[in-house]
Amino acid sequence: EAGVTQFPSHSVIEKGQTVTLRCDPISGHDNLYWYRRVMGKEIKFLLHFVKESKQDESGMPNNRFLAERTGGTYSTLKVQPAELEDSGVYFCASSLMPDTDTQYFGPGTRLTVL
Amino acid sequence: GENVEQHPSTLSVQEGDSAVIKCTYSDSASNYFPWYKQELGKGPQLIIDIRSNVGEKKDQRIAVTLNKTAKHFSLHITETQPEDSAVYFCAASNGNQFYFGTGTSLTVIP
Repeated sequence: EAGVTQFPSHSVIEKGQTVTLRCDPISGHDNLYWYRRVMGKEIKFLLHFVKESKQDESGMPNNRFLAERTGGTYSTLKVQPAELEDSGVYFCASSLMPDTDTQYFGPGTRLTVL
Repeated sequence: GENVEQHPSTLSVQEGDSAVIKCTYSDSASNYFPWYKQELGKGPQLIIDIRSNVGEKKDQRIAVTLNKTAKHFSLHITETQPEDSAVYFCAASNGNQFYFGTGTSLTVIP
């Protein structure tokens, strides 16, 4: 069975541009999470989808970030316009059940904003 | 909210020695504590977890201990091997979110 996949693996953009990250969870996993790790710091929660609904988006930094999960399958995270401080590695994870169930992580997208 | 602290940030051990990574948490409501291993170019992968009704759990060379009173939990790796070299993250969950530590970069020297 395929694991969580993310695209692209790397993205380098200039400040002010737009970037869209994609995550494909494990098939059948209703719960999808986005995280971000800024260099040397903790992996920080951004938001949690249950199917197509946003269960918890308390970790989203500001309104330049927009996450969607139309149809409850793959998810996109758009950053518009990107700022320097948005640089980091964006991870997606999925789980069968919410709360304290095992979360399976994708390889991450490394975003660099110049 | 929950605050998870992880130490050390870097750790070097000789092959065959043991490695210990420690984490503390602040929210007494946290009841699930997973440990993740991240190898270069890959995402974090769950290696072991423990729930608050258990004090210790072991899986071959890896063990995790939990002290709920002191609010700390530790990862123990025995007989370390070069393939154990990676970044390790602890996390705590109260059923709402996962709160991660800042990671420990473990290097096992052959």
